[in-house]
Amino acid sequence: EVQLVESGGGLVKPGGSLRLSCAASTFTFNNAWMSWVRQAPGKGLEWVGRIKSKTDGGTTDYTAPVKGRFTISRDDSKNTLYLQMNSVKTEDTAVYYCTTDSHGTYYHYMDVWGKGTTVTVSS
Amino acid sequence: SYVLTQPPSVSVAPGKTAGITCGGNNIGSKSVHWYQQKPGQAPVLVIYYDSDRPSGIPERFSGSNSGNTATLTISRVEAGDEADYYCQVWDSSSDLPYVFGTGTKVTVL
Repeated sequence: EVQLVESGGGLVKPGGSLRLSCAASTFTFNNAWMSWVRQAPGKGLEWVGRIKSKTDGGTTDYTAPVKGRFTISRDDSKNTLYLQMNSVKTEDTAVYYCTTDSHGTYYHYMDVWGKGTTVTVSS
Repeated sequence: SYVLTQPPSVSVAPGKTAGITCGGNNIGSKSVHWYQQKPGQAPVLVIYYDSDRPSGIPERFSGSNSGNTATLTISRVEAGDEADYYCQVWDSSSDLPYVFGTGTKVTVL
C-alpha cells in the first residue's frame, strides 16, 4: 500500500521559514508527479503546487498566492518530497497534505494523500 | 480561473440516495474527480475520471458528468458516509490548473 507521511509542521512567526517533508514508501517515487494541497481551518481544499518527475522535466508550478515564496523540491534517492516555505503569512496557516498526482493528457487527480502536517503562522 | 460550485450541505436519511452536484462552465468537457473527507482525516479519492471507482470504494458511490453539472451519487446511504465531499477538475488553460469545488457537507439523518 502506498504511504505518504508528512512532517515538519509547527508554529512559525510571520515572515519566517519552515520546511515540510513528505516521505513516500511502497511505490516508484521517482516516476511520480507530486503535489501539495492545503486546507485552512474550517475551509476547503486548495492546491499549493506540483512537481513533475525528473524524467518529465522535474518542473514546478504553484498557485499565485505562494509563487515566489514557496519552493517544491524532491530527493528521489530518499523518496522524499519537500515544501520550503519562506516569508510566511498568517493566511498560510493550514494543514498541508502531500499527494500523488495521477495524470493523463486531459486530467490530473490526487489518488493518494498523506495524513497532513499542521502549519500555524502567528506572532 | 475556473470556478466549481457545490451546495454547502445535503441531508439524507439512511438507506436513501444522496446526490451532490458540482457546477462549472461546460464541465462536461472536463474530467471530474471526487474526494471524501471525514472529520479530522485526510481526503480520500472516491471517484476519478467522472465515474471510475478506485479499488476499495463501494459500488454505492457513482459519478456522472454532462453539460454544466457533474454529480456524485451515493446509494443506500450509511452513517459512515457522513463527510465533506469535494469535486476537482484540471484546467490546463488556467493560472490555477488544479481546481477544487467549494465542498458539500453530507449529513445522515
